[in-house]
Amino acid sequence: GEEVAQTPKHLVRGEGQKAKLYCAPIKGHSYVFWYQQVLKNEFKFLISFQNENVFDETGMPKERFSAKCLPNSPCSLEIQATKLEDSAVYFCASSPRGDLDGYTFGSGTRLTVV
Amino acid sequence: QQQVKQSPQSLIVQKGGISIINCAYENTAFDYFPWYQQFPGKGPALLIAIRPDVSEKKEGRFTISFNKSAKQFSLHIMDSQPGDSATYFCAASMAWGYSTLTFGKGTMLLVSP
Repeated sequence: GEEVAQTPKHLVRGEGQKAKLYCAPIKGHSYVFWYQQVLKNEFKFLISFQNENVFDETGMPKERFSAKCLPNSPCSLEIQATKLEDSAVYFCASSPRGDLDGYTFGSGTRLTVV
Repeated sequence: QQQVKQSPQSLIVQKGGISIINCAYENTAFDYFPWYQQFPGKGPALLIAIRPDVSEKKEGRFTISFNKSAKQFSLHIMDSQPGDSATYFCAASMAWGYSTLTFGKGTMLLVSP
């Protein structure tokens, strides 16, 4: 079946190092969303894209976080100079039209900052 | 400010019983209310969703009840099975679902055999 592919599954970084996470949306899905799940359960919206354009970035901590969705490439979420509090599971979701009925989440990337 | 409050944090139900999870929201602009099921190591998966033009929606063993005036909605799982053991999240969104999700903090459900 079709799935949102997130890589890597696990990532360990020392404090201050860079972390880069990837998300391949389901083919034909124009919208991509990034969420951060911290403390085991609490989800926080980060950013969304419509194709390669930023759709909503109200949740992004702009000082150290950046994201891109370029044509014919997986989307990426990059964290410069990671901090301990960035430790979380980062989920990507894609949707064909932007509506939540069509949302499919990936299995996430667990980032551990030590 | 937590916009979607979910309770209980955890729930143990016997096989065949009814599991009930409740959520309350504050923002009256919310107009799409989904429930997600999450298994360990997996992303959330949409279970069922409701819009405020109806007070109840049923899909198989899963029912959402929605009370617009009280700003509350709940998930009922009938005939709960051990395979239903997972974490359940309520969420809310605006623009009839064409917007981002605000999640509750989750309920860990354990269905005992």
